[in-house]
Amino acid sequence: QKEVEQDPGPLSVPEGAIVSLNCTYSNSAFQYFMWYRQYSRKGPELLMYTYSSGNKEDGRFTAQVDKSSKYISLFIRDSQPSDSATYLCAMRTGRRALTFGSGTRLQVQP
Amino acid sequence: DTGVSQDPRHKITKRGQNVTFRCDPISEHNRLYWYRQTLGQGPEFLTYFQNEAQLEKSRLLSDRFSAERPKGSFSTLEIQRTEQGDSAMYLCASSLGTSKKETQYFGPGTRLLVL
Repeated sequence: QKEVEQDPGPLSVPEGAIVSLNCTYSNSAFQYFMWYRQYSRKGPELLMYTYSSGNKEDGRFTAQVDKSSKYISLFIRDSQPSDSATYLCAMRTGRRALTFGSGTRLQVQP
Repeated sequence: DTGVSQDPRHKITKRGQNVTFRCDPISEHNRLYWYRQTLGQGPEFLTYFQNEAQLEKSRLLSDRFSAERPKGSFSTLEIQRTEQGDSAMYLCASSLGTSKKETQYFGPGTRLLVL
């Protein structure tokens, strides 16, 4: 079983919809949680970084961390066709190496 | 600040050949990471440097793989005697490790195809 599980999708939504992306994890030592966006054939780009349980908002993006359930989420409001990409959750312990989920492919239809 | 750069962007090689990739981190970032990403998967950690010291290596980094960061700036990743299973995207990331909340910034990757 992988340490980080993420539904690969694809997830297809109409423009303007609210998108919910999720990851579950098994290692309770994970302390730092990130969401990266990756366009086709490009490197991952950091979207959100959270440390503790709770919510963090940045523009149209909201990240949630529930350490008790070992569950993290990313919400995208008013989704746009330019949001079409693969979304990767990532997390780490006190060590430096990131552990990634397998990514969810999102397609926002105009 | 031009971001993390990687060279080459694409490499096609025959099985058994050696290949070398280069990564130039964001200037003044003291930490540099290598990851490997296969199709439909997230990146997997290979190794990381703090300045010129290689501090951690994943078990994925077989003895055919070697990485260096000789002057604490750019880094190279060499794969000897390539195998078809080495075909993947090799990603480099860098960070400024001054706090617990450090952010890894990724380069565009080098896509390797072993025939």
